[in-house]
This record gives sequence, structure tokens and C-alpha cells, in this order.
Amino acid sequence: DAGVTQSPTHLIKTRGQQVTLRCSPKSGHDTVSWYQQALGQGPQFIFQYYEEEERQRGNFPDRFSGHQFPNYSSELNVNALLLGDSALYLCASSSGPRSYEQYFGPGTRLTVT
Amino acid sequence: DAKTTQPPSMDCAEGRAANLPCNHSTISGNEYVYWYRQIHSQGPQYIIHGLKNNETNEMASLIITEDRKSSTLILPHATLRDTAVYYCIVRVATGANSKLTFGKGITLSVRP
Repeated sequence: DAGVTQSPTHLIKTRGQQVTLRCSPKSGHDTVSWYQQALGQGPQFIFQYYEEEERQRGNFPDRFSGHQFPNYSSELNVNALLLGDSALYLCASSSGPRSYEQYFGPGTRLTVT
Repeated sequence: DAKTTQPPSMDCAEGRAANLPCNHSTISGNEYVYWYRQIHSQGPQYIIHGLKNNETNEMASLIITEDRKSSTLILPHATLRDTAVYYCIVRVATGANSKLTFGKGITLSVRP
């Protein structure tokens, strides 16, 4: 049973560019949440997708957007990249938006130069 | 969600119990205490959660004080693989808001 998978593992972008990160949830899960983790900090909630709609959103600008597909996989898009967007981006899946347990993927390390 | 306070770090000897404290003095009656951990270069991993009774599973035990203002995560026989950052989180378990609000956590170092 595959857990949460994310791609790519690492990537390097230049300031001002756009990036798309991908996540496949754990088998049987239908809800995907995205978190940003800066170095030395705990993960910060970006948003959550359920039934192909954004259900909750954290304190992140509109440059951060997402999408969920009918197969429950999800994408995180970040436009107009800033140096401060350099971080580990984590995807977590759960069975329903109210589930007490979230399963995290290994993350995508984004470096903006 | 209520805020939590954890010391920045602690260590323990391999094979001994690791007791990780957490203060959550402003916790509401409908908020649960959750513990996650993050091993280096991995995503966070769920450990355990509880409301007011002590809880135990195959990974750890959670002891919540009677006034619910603090709790302790206990790893009964710590191993080197338990070296990680441990996050104590409080949140409402029901309702639409299921986001996890992480602090900086406590870094546990298990020494041989």
C-alpha cells in the first residue's frame, strides 16, 4: 500500500518564476492538505482540498493556489516566486476533512535563487 | 486553536523512558491534544492523541493532567531511531477545521 507520494523531490527555481508541485494521497484517502516548512520551523498550513474544492486556507497570499483532481491527487502552484518561498513543501492526506490523523509525504524541497 | 509551549530540546539514554512535556494552559473543552514527530528529512508522523483520559498505543503513552493544562508524551524504551522533533498540537477534532498548527516542537536526542 503506497503512502503519500510527492514529486519532484527537489527543484531549483529563479525568483519570479512559477512552480507546480504534485501529490498523490495514500490509498483510500480523499482529502489533501499542503504545508510549508521553512528551515528550523514547524510546518505551516497552506490550504486543504476535499471534493476538488479548497475547504480551508491558511495565511498565505494568492500567489499560492492549488487543485485537486477526480482521483484525489493534488497540485500546489506558486507564482512569482520569492526568495522567501524557499522551503520544504509537505503534502498530507486523510480520510475526510475531519479526520484526526493526517499522513504526510516526504516533501518537495524548493530552492529559489 | 490553543497555543502550546514545549522546551526546545532534551535528551535521554537509549533504552530509558523519554518523557516529553507540553503546556497548553488555554486549551478549550473541545480541543484534543495531538503529538506528531518528524524524523530528519521525512514528513511528520502521527503518534497519538487524547482528550482527557490517558492514552496508550504501540508507539507511546499520553498522560494529560486533570485540569488539561499540560500533558506528557512518554516513549517507554527510547531507541536511536526515536531521535526526532516532536510536536505537541491542540485542535478541535470535529468540525470543518482540521488543519494542524505546528509550533517549533521539541528536539529529542537519544544517546547510545
